[in-house]
Amino acid sequence: GNSVTQMEGPVTLSEEAFLTINCTYTATGYPSLFWYVQYPGEGLQLLLKATKADDKGSNKGFEATYRKETTSFHLEKGSVQVSDSAVYFCALITASGGYNKLIFGAGTRLAVHP
Amino acid sequence: DTAVSQTPKYLVTQMGNDKSIKCEQNLGHDTMYWYKQDSKKFLKIMFSYNNKELIINETVPNRFSPKSPDKAHLNLHINSLELGDSAVYFCASSQQTGPYEQYFGPGTRLTVT
Repeated sequence: GNSVTQMEGPVTLSEEAFLTINCTYTATGYPSLFWYVQYPGEGLQLLLKATKADDKGSNKGFEATYRKETTSFHLEKGSVQVSDSAVYFCALITASGGYNKLIFGAGTRLAVHP
Repeated sequence: DTAVSQTPKYLVTQMGNDKSIKCEQNLGHDTMYWYKQDSKKFLKIMFSYNNKELIINETVPNRFSPKSPDKAHLNLHINSLELGDSAVYFCASSQQTGPYEQYFGPGTRLTVT
């Protein structure tokens, strides 16, 4: 079946450090891939997305590249800020699932310290 | 303007009670969803509606009954609440079914005692 695997957290970084959160997927067909972010006490917001192989999604300094050969969609940011502290979810949606549902990874909590 | 809104934000109730959570979206979207987030932050789809028709029921107990009176609303009614129902419930919507962004509401934290 379709699934998403994320690196376990929490990830603790100092401000201005480089961030990588690993995400790999298993899917039938060609999924679209997403990163969502959940700030404390809030709902999920789309951070970025990519719909086909080699696409790069980017937003707010975050980037992720759809790598079909490694079935990965790792999230990166060159210099994190305290305000980036949140839970990050990698997710996919596929036509084989009828495009009816997002399948999420378990989430990775990021804590950034001054 | 709130895109996807849910009420209530917090719901505390006793086992065996029946409760409802309401969701409204003002984005003009055709498709709406309910997701459950457990205590470990794991998110899982429960239901999906497209143009008021149920298209996904992800093996959710029949104590949970979604109702969509129109395209802008998707309510969740839960009968005979159990301790294991305690979670955060998120409503979401998307333009239509497909590889489109889903917009999430702020969530309803349900605590069953």
